[in-house]
Amino acid sequence: AIQLTQSPSSLSASVGDRVTITCRASQGISRALAWYQQKPGKPPHLLISDASSLESGVPSRFRGSGSGTDFTLSINSLQPEDFATYYCQQFYSYPQSFGQGTKLEIK
Amino acid sequence: EVQLVESGGGLVQPGRSLRLSCTTSGFSFGNFAMSWVRQAPGKGLEFLGFVRSKAYDGPTAYAASVKGRFTISRDDSKSIAYLQMNSLKSEDTALYYCARGLQSLDYWGQGTLVTVSS
Repeated sequence: AIQLTQSPSSLSASVGDRVTITCRASQGISRALAWYQQKPGKPPHLLISDASSLESGVPSRFRGSGSGTDFTLSINSLQPEDFATYYCQQFYSYPQSFGQGTKLEIK
Repeated sequence: EVQLVESGGGLVQPGRSLRLSCTTSGFSFGNFAMSWVRQAPGKGLEFLGFVRSKAYDGPTAYAASVKGRFTISRDDSKSIAYLQMNSLKSEDTALYYCARGLQSLDYWGQGTLVTVSS
């Protein structure tokens, strides 16, 4: 099974900052990666599919990149509503798998 | 509007069975694969497995932690996906989500809580 490792596990930042979250796969997964945002008490929300395709309605300050084993999620100019937990998910091979999550907190 | 609503959760004793339902509306259910994901209290997301749409035959896959105990199925006439859970263990205690899709999951339900305890 493919394992995904996210770093950092937690991150403190301020409104207006730019942050980057990394997701590393245990083997190459081409661009078969999605990113989700989850807020407390809510289900995950799909932000990005196929490593870099922004879902409809997702603000352009979110950006995904990478291929193979290394991927990043960048958020420019953090807004108050961006403080949440972020997960990557691979769908290159089944069963699919998630990273352990990165909690983005307000500094 | 696409909606997914999970039901069937509750308190169950170890070793017993439970069937969760994911009732959907707002899209052509038969055209989409459906997946189940769970989240233990205070923990991350765990992908459990999926059921393909009838049009796309192929093998399914389950997480190692539930393989042989959990089965995902569907009733296209009712637009419902199911998660049959057998031989439940305390470590199966979690919030169970259904989601639309097989690769990236674009719509999710609110989840149903399963607590396995004696």
